[in-house]
Amino acid sequence: SQQGEEDPQALSIQEGENATMNCSYKTSINNLQWYRQNSGRGLVHLILIRSNEREKHSGRLRVTLDTSKKSSSLLITASRAADTASYFCATDRGGANNLFFGTGTRLTVIP
Amino acid sequence: DVKVTQSSRYLVKRTGEKVFLECVQDMDHENMFWYRQDPGLGLRLIYFSYDVKMKEKGDIPEGYSVSREKKERFSLILESASTNQTSMYLCASSSPGEGLGGELFFGEGSRLTVL
Repeated sequence: SQQGEEDPQALSIQEGENATMNCSYKTSINNLQWYRQNSGRGLVHLILIRSNEREKHSGRLRVTLDTSKKSSSLLITASRAADTASYFCATDRGGANNLFFGTGTRLTVIP
Repeated sequence: DVKVTQSSRYLVKRTGEKVFLECVQDMDHENMFWYRQDPGLGLRLIYFSYDVKMKEKGDIPEGYSVSREKKERFSLILESASTNQTSMYLCASSSPGEGLGGELFFGEGSRLTVL
């Protein structure tokens, strides 16, 4: 499979703590994206980082990308109960306009 | 507010039935996609389309077909539903103006149960 693989599969933290999720992939990419999915709903785009970028911020989100290691991390700072969801990384197929998705990390933030 | 709308949130069908899943987007996007999502397997691409009347196979096209007669509408068809097609089906769209592998906009999903 050329999918991204998230790690850990599940993560449970207390409200206010930081949550870090990791993603590894196998092929060269143009960009990597992170999506969020509330239970039983569709996915919502969070952030996109291009292959020539190393770090990107959006509000409480921080994404890093290491193309030499083919890995990315998503950090959510000062987590809230409302951050409880599944988080997926997605990579383009090195020239194609469709995405590979990983299997996701299930984050639970305990109030 | 941009939107991808899937016609049915929940469907229950019997083995052998023909099933239509409809998806409509109001963003004038050229690209549209159908994924299925299963526990432990993540999202897998079934079919996608870059333009009207165009379609491309994804990773798991077997047992499915698609139709794109209008730019805003992309239909997924299960010619003869089987129990292993019980799944959550997600439609998405994107604009090529976003560049390669641009942001996808998803519908809320259609949960199909085949008995």
